[in-house]
Amino acid sequence: DTGVSQDPRHKITKRGQNVTFRCDPISEHNRLYWYRQTLGQGPEFLTYFQNEAQLEKSRLLSDRFSAERPKGSFSTLEIQRTEQGDSAMYLCASSSELGQYFGPGTRLTVT
Amino acid sequence: ILNVEQSPQSLHVQEGDSTNFTCSFPSSNFYALHWYRWETAKSPEALFVMTLNGDEKKKGRISATLNTKEGYSYLYIKGSQPEDSATYLCALPYNQGGKLIFGQGTELSVKP
Repeated sequence: DTGVSQDPRHKITKRGQNVTFRCDPISEHNRLYWYRQTLGQGPEFLTYFQNEAQLEKSRLLSDRFSAERPKGSFSTLEIQRTEQGDSAMYLCASSSELGQYFGPGTRLTVT
Repeated sequence: ILNVEQSPQSLHVQEGDSTNFTCSFPSSNFYALHWYRWETAKSPEALFVMTLNGDEKKKGRISATLNTKEGYSYLYIKGSQPEDSATYLCALPYNQGGKLIFGQGTELSVKP
């Protein structure tokens, strides 16, 4: 399968714990995006990378969130000291000139 | 601020019904409009990318139109089938080639 993959697909964690998600984009795509989707809403932009450079971060991305793309390939999104409000679907996408291609998402539940 | 609105929020139809949804957006600074279909437990799947005023695109029983002057796009499904049940999202790039701004989505449920 040459699509965008994300791991894990589901994560249940207790409030206050740290979590890390991984995204593997389509190999030839330079741009990689993270979005967050909560119930009843469309996905909201969090951050994006051009190769290894993080070029934009949303105000939604508090100091507890950090994203990396160390070698311009896969990316990680870490949430420190999780809160119940962080419960959401976290989507990753990579893009070509034709558009953005999404992974299946990581569903985070914070208890 | 790029505000993208979709209606209705949800739709329940019987198999065989035809249906349509609306995506509204500001008509200024338009680059493109994307329609995605998102089935439960799967990746959002790109349906159409529309760029020109008056564009009409078709994929099987699904078609879409675009009016950039008045700021709307319609997605039509002819003869809905249960496998069409999904959330349909429209999104516009904030700038050329950039992050997508999504509408809230329309959740379609097709009963056999």
